[in-house]
Amino acid sequence: NAGVMQNPRHLVRRRGQEARLRCSPVKGHSHVYWYRQLPEEGLKFMVYLQKENIIDESGMPKERFSAEFPKEGPSILRIQQVVRGDSAAYFCASSPTGGKNNQPQHFGDGTRLSIL
Amino acid sequence: LAKTTQPISMDSYEGQEVNITCSHNNIATNDYITWYQQFPSQGPRFIIQGYKTKVTNEVASLFIPADRKSSTLSLPRVSLSDTAVYYCLVGDGVTGGGNKLTFGTGTQLKVEL
Repeated sequence: NAGVMQNPRHLVRRRGQEARLRCSPVKGHSHVYWYRQLPEEGLKFMVYLQKENIIDESGMPKERFSAEFPKEGPSILRIQQVVRGDSAAYFCASSPTGGKNNQPQHFGDGTRLSIL
Repeated sequence: LAKTTQPISMDSYEGQEVNITCSHNNIATNDYITWYQQFPSQGPRFIIQGYKTKVTNEVASLFIPADRKSSTLSLPRVSLSDTAVYYCLVGDGVTGGGNKLTFGTGTQLKVEL
């Protein structure tokens, strides 16, 4: 499967713990995006990264949330000291080298985070 | 980013053609129109993208009038497996290359026998 791979598919954490969500983009894609989806709602943009750089984090909460896309390995979305309100589906998408139109983003199947 | 308006839900029967219209009155000159499909517990899946007139691929057609203030996704001969949420997205954010997508609540299509 050459698509976007996310793991784990389901993650359960207790309040105060840390959650780490991983995303491997489509091979050859250097742009990664993270979105959050609450039940019955559309996806909300969180952060956009290129290799080793955060380009746009305007949708990410200022505290407890961080993201990285290292030179080697998957992109990581990290949530520290999780709270009940962090329960959601987190989707990762990737696109090929950018700056051009008509290059749709390809999505993974998400990580469903549940906070006890 | 251009705001989009689409019906919250639609019902259809197997074998029928389904047309979902999206309004985007504030579309900008450089904006593309893109439709995604999402099944429960899955990520959105790209269906089709267009700029003007008509675009057709193996799964759908996209009709865009000359003023580009609306677009219609056409699904020919739907089946039960087409039951999903369909999102219309407009703007620079619908493209790749470093832009964020803005999803609305989409249209829940339900196909019955």
